[in-house]
Amino acid sequence: RKEVEQDPGPFNVPEGATVAFNCTYSNSASQSFFWYRQDCRKEPKLLMSVYSSGNEDGRFTAQLNRASQYISLLIRDSKLSDSATYLCGVRDDKIIFGKGTRLHILP
Amino acid sequence: DGGITQSPKYLFRKEGQNVTLSCEQNLNHDAMYWYRQDPGQGLRLIYYSQIVNDFQKGDIAEGYSVSREKKESFPLTVTSAQKNPTAFYLCASSLNPPGTSGSSYNEQFFGPGTRLTVL
Repeated sequence: RKEVEQDPGPFNVPEGATVAFNCTYSNSASQSFFWYRQDCRKEPKLLMSVYSSGNEDGRFTAQLNRASQYISLLIRDSKLSDSATYLCGVRDDKIIFGKGTRLHILP
Repeated sequence: DGGITQSPKYLFRKEGQNVTLSCEQNLNHDAMYWYRQDPGQGLRLIYYSQIVNDFQKGDIAEGYSVSREKKESFPLTVTSAQKNPTAFYLCASSLNPPGTSGSSYNEQFFGPGTRLTVL
């Protein structure tokens, strides 16, 4: 089993829809979890950290399920500007990243 | 302005030449990292450093070397031994060394990257 896995997509979603990504991880001792957004030919930018109790930032909600070892990202009311690749990161002594999920928001 | 800088943005080298990529941060972060990203691929860790004068190999360290003589700087040398050096190289840093608790301290921030093309 790979350390951190994501569905590569692409997810093609109409504007205004809700989209959800999952990311599974193999190390049950992992302590910290993150979602990053990467635009084409740019560096990844931190979208949000994922806390045990779940957290929300505007249209974005992140959740952690330790029992099943996955984190999720929910984007509500999607915008054209949400089109990007979304990377999950899982930290034990260093952050291991998934390969990312490509999201295309369609007008 | 606080942040992570990488230079140059684009770099071209002939095959067989060593090349050094710069990474500087003024965030007072303890840990620094180098990743490589190939088209359509994820981030692969090359080297990381938790503290000055110390660094560890990542998953793909062969053909690369680093130094960490100053807290602010973590240059990466791509040597002629690296068989496929053409890639997008990303430097990152985080406030606390790995192993500390609290995700907010472990958030990792990236520089703008250097695109290396070996001709």
